Amino acid sequence: DVKVTQSSRYLVKRTGEKVFLECVQDMDHENMFWYRQDPGLGLRLIYFSYDVKMKEKGDIPEGYSVSREKKERFSLILESASTNQTSMYLCASSSPYRLADTDTQYFGPGTRLTVL
Amino acid sequence: DAKTTQPNSMESNEEEPVHLPCNHSTISGTDYIHWYRQLPSQGPEYVIHGLTSNVNNRMASLAIAEDRKSSTLILHRATLRDAAVYYCIPLAIFGTGTRLKVLA
Repeated sequence: DVKVTQSSRYLVKRTGEKVFLECVQDMDHENMFWYRQDPGLGLRLIYFSYDVKMKEKGDIPEGYSVSREKKERFSLILESASTNQTSMYLCASSSPYRLADTDTQYFGPGTRLTVL
Repeated sequence: DAKTTQPNSMESNEEEPVHLPCNHSTISGTDYIHWYRQLPSQGPEYVIHGLTSNVNNRMASLAIAEDRKSSTLILHRATLRDAAVYYCIPLAIFGTGTRLKVLA
C-alpha cells in the first residue's frame, strides 16, 4: 500500500516563526502536492512538484515556498507564519505513469497548524 | 482549467443507493475523472476513477456521461460509514465537495 506520511499531526507556532512541514512518500511517485483545507473552502492547492527540484505554483502560493531535493520528500515552508495560515495542511503524491491508477492521489493524514 | 460543480450536501437512508452527481463541463478529453472521499479527521482517500466508460470497484460505481461533461458516483447500499465529504475532481482541482449524511 502507498504510504504518505507527514511529520506532525498537530503543530503550534507563533506569528513570525519559520515553519517547516515535511511530507514523505514511499511509492516512488513523481508528483507531490501540498494543499490547505479550511471550513467551507474545500481543498486548495498551494504548490505541486512533478520532479526533483521542480515546483509549480498552485492556486494560493502566497506566503509559502516548497523544496523537493529528493524524490520521496516534499517540504512546505512558511517563511514567516501568520495567523491566517492557521489551517489543516495535506500532502499528496501521485504518478502519471501507472496504468492502474494514473494520477490517483494518495494523501497523508494532515497536519493541523495553529499560528498564535 | 477544469471546474466542477457538486451539490453542497445530500442525505440518504441507510441501505439505500446513493447517486452523487458532478458536473465538469470544461474537462479536457484526456483528463481522468477521479472521486475521493474524506472521512472526519482524515485525509481524502481514493474511491474510483474513469475516463470514458463506466467503472465498478468494491467501493462504488462511476457512471460517466457520453459527452464526459458530467459523472455520477453510485454507492449501491449506503452505510453509516459512508458519511463523508465526496469530491469529484479532474487532476488536482478540488472543490468543496458534497457532504453526504446517511440516516439510520
